Amino acid sequence: DTGVSQNPRHKITKRGQNVTFRCDPISEHNRLYWYRQTLGQGPEFLTYFQNEAQLEKSRLLSDRFSAERPKGSFSTLEIQRTEQGDSAMYLCASSLVPTSGANTGELFFGEGSRLTVL
Amino acid sequence: KNQVEQSPQSLIILEGKNCTLQCNYTVSPFSNLRWYKQDTGRGPVSLTIMTFSENTKSNGRYTATLDADTKQSSLHITASQLSDSASYICVVRVSGGYNKLIFGAGTRLAVHP
Repeated sequence: DTGVSQNPRHKITKRGQNVTFRCDPISEHNRLYWYRQTLGQGPEFLTYFQNEAQLEKSRLLSDRFSAERPKGSFSTLEIQRTEQGDSAMYLCASSLVPTSGANTGELFFGEGSRLTVL
Repeated sequence: KNQVEQSPQSLIILEGKNCTLQCNYTVSPFSNLRWYKQDTGRGPVSLTIMTFSENTKSNGRYTATLDADTKQSSLHITASQLSDSASYICVVRVSGGYNKLIFGAGTRLAVHP
């Protein structure tokens, strides 16, 4: 499978625990995005990476959230001291931004990691 | 404020019937507009991408239209199938920058036999 892969698909945790999600993008894609989606809503932007550099973070990304993409390939999203309000689907997406020519910005999403905080 | 609004919020149709979903946006500067299909518990999958100069684009039984003057788009589904049951999300890309996308809340479509 050469699509975007996310693990775990489901995570149930108790309030106050830390959780980490992993995203493996499409191999040649240089951009990687994290989104959060709650029931009945569209995805909300959290952060994105260009290769290994984290270039933009949303206000939604509180101090308890941290994302990394250490080698410019896979990425991790960690949530510390989880709260019930963190319960959501966390979506990862990747895209290829060409060095020249038109950039359609086509995003390819993973299947998501659903977090439930009890 | 950049916003994307979709209607209806939810829709139920019978298998074989057609339907049209609406999207209004106030996004500037506009780059392109996409429609995504999202099955329950899955990630969104792109159906179409439309640029400013495109008025209509088809992908099988899906046809998207764009009126850049009125800032409206529609997604028409022909001869619906049970597998069309999903959320359909309208997404507008803001020109420039890092590929900032403004997502609508989606229309939840249920196709019944």
